[in-house]
Amino acid sequence: KAGVTQTPRYLIKTRGQQVTLSCSPISGHRSVSWYQQTPGQGLQFLFEYFSETQRNKGNFPGRFSGRQFSNSRSEMNVSTLELGDSALYLCASSPGQGNTGELFFGEGSRLTVL
Amino acid sequence: GQQLNQSPQSMFIQEGEDVSMNCTSSSIFNTWLWYKQEPGEGPVLLIALYKAGELTSNGRLTAQFGITRKDSFLNISASIPSDVGIYFCAGRMNTGFQKLVFGTGTRLLVSP
Repeated sequence: KAGVTQTPRYLIKTRGQQVTLSCSPISGHRSVSWYQQTPGQGLQFLFEYFSETQRNKGNFPGRFSGRQFSNSRSEMNVSTLELGDSALYLCASSPGQGNTGELFFGEGSRLTVL
Repeated sequence: GQQLNQSPQSMFIQEGEDVSMNCTSSSIFNTWLWYKQEPGEGPVLLIALYKAGELTSNGRLTAQFGITRKDSFLNISASIPSDVGIYFCAGRMNTGFQKLVFGTGTRLLVSP
């Protein structure tokens, strides 16, 4: 069974640009969550999608957005990039039935903003 | 952002030693989980706990859900070099769907 796949793995952007990250969950999983990981703030929850609906959102500015498609694949977008957005962005999937907290993480997309 | 207090921050031990780490929160959680992250990888679930007072083992790993529901403990017995990594606790609130609040992490180094 294939794991969670995130693309791209690495990317470099400049301030003011925007970026889109993609996540393919484990087959059959309907819940996709996104986390930002930085040395200073650790792992912070961005948002969770289930059946194409955002059902929870973390404390991030509106520049951070996401969506989920009918095949459960998800994308997140960060607009008007700032230096502080440099981070590892992790996607995690779960079956969705029953909120157990048992998440399966991808390897992440490492974003560097110059 | 919110982070759970995890200690110790790092540990450097000899192979074969036992390890203990803990996680505390000011909030009550309905689920406590422990994840391990290795370089270049995402976190991997080790143990999940669902009831206050619950003690669960996974091989050499044992974790407990604190009675107050505000803390959890992870023990690793007879450590081996492949135990190296960063261990994170995480809590889930009853109304949080799959949202997890993560701890600050414990970096474990094991000397052969």
